[in-house]
Amino acid sequence: TQLLEQSPQFLSIQEGENLTVYCNSSSVFSSLQWYRQEPGEGPVLLVTVVTGGEVKKLKRLTFQFGDARKDSSLHITAAQPGDTGLYLCAGEGGDSSYKLIFGSGTRLLVRP
Amino acid sequence: DTGVSQNPRHKITKRGQNVTFRCDPISEHNRLYWYRQTLGQGPEFLTYFQNEAQLEKSRLLSDRFSAERPKGSFSTLEIQRTEQGDSAMYLCASSYSGRTDTQYFGPGTRLTVL
Repeated sequence: TQLLEQSPQFLSIQEGENLTVYCNSSSVFSSLQWYRQEPGEGPVLLVTVVTGGEVKKLKRLTFQFGDARKDSSLHITAAQPGDTGLYLCAGEGGDSSYKLIFGSGTRLLVRP
Repeated sequence: DTGVSQNPRHKITKRGQNVTFRCDPISEHNRLYWYRQTLGQGPEFLTYFQNEAQLEKSRLLSDRFSAERPKGSFSTLEIQRTEQGDSAMYLCASSYSGRTDTQYFGPGTRLTVL
């Protein structure tokens, strides 16, 4: 059974601080996606990473896919209150299964 | 491109009643997925379609659950004889088959079973 462990589960930081969220598994994923979800809404795609070692930047967000494609991280620089939300990582299983395996999420609160 | 839409957004029902949810995917997407999300957890896969064919079902999908995608366009998810444990957010996602299967989610249907 493929599992994704996400840490930390909850993070409360001051505006302007940096943070990193981790997503780890013992399984290899063909791709990994990061989503952000607001209360009562569906997840919104932030990025897809495909290649081992890949790094993608989206303004103040930096995403990295591990060399072995088993883990990923999301780093936010100079967090702002607008970054508050639930961050979810999700791995695409492969083996002709296209379902996503989600982590349990990191709830981020950025205090002004 | 209007994105993935789901109806209704909220549904309150009594235990034992049947409910049906609808999902309209992004128009050119051939794959459609259903997930369920409970409070404090990430979404869990239920089932997916490629065009009109239902290709995979999770063990979470009991006999009371049925999903269809006639003509490979919109999809419906029906829950018969609802139970309180069915209370959750039901999410639909769609994608276009390619090198990566990036899935785009709808806003979800929040089901509350009393």
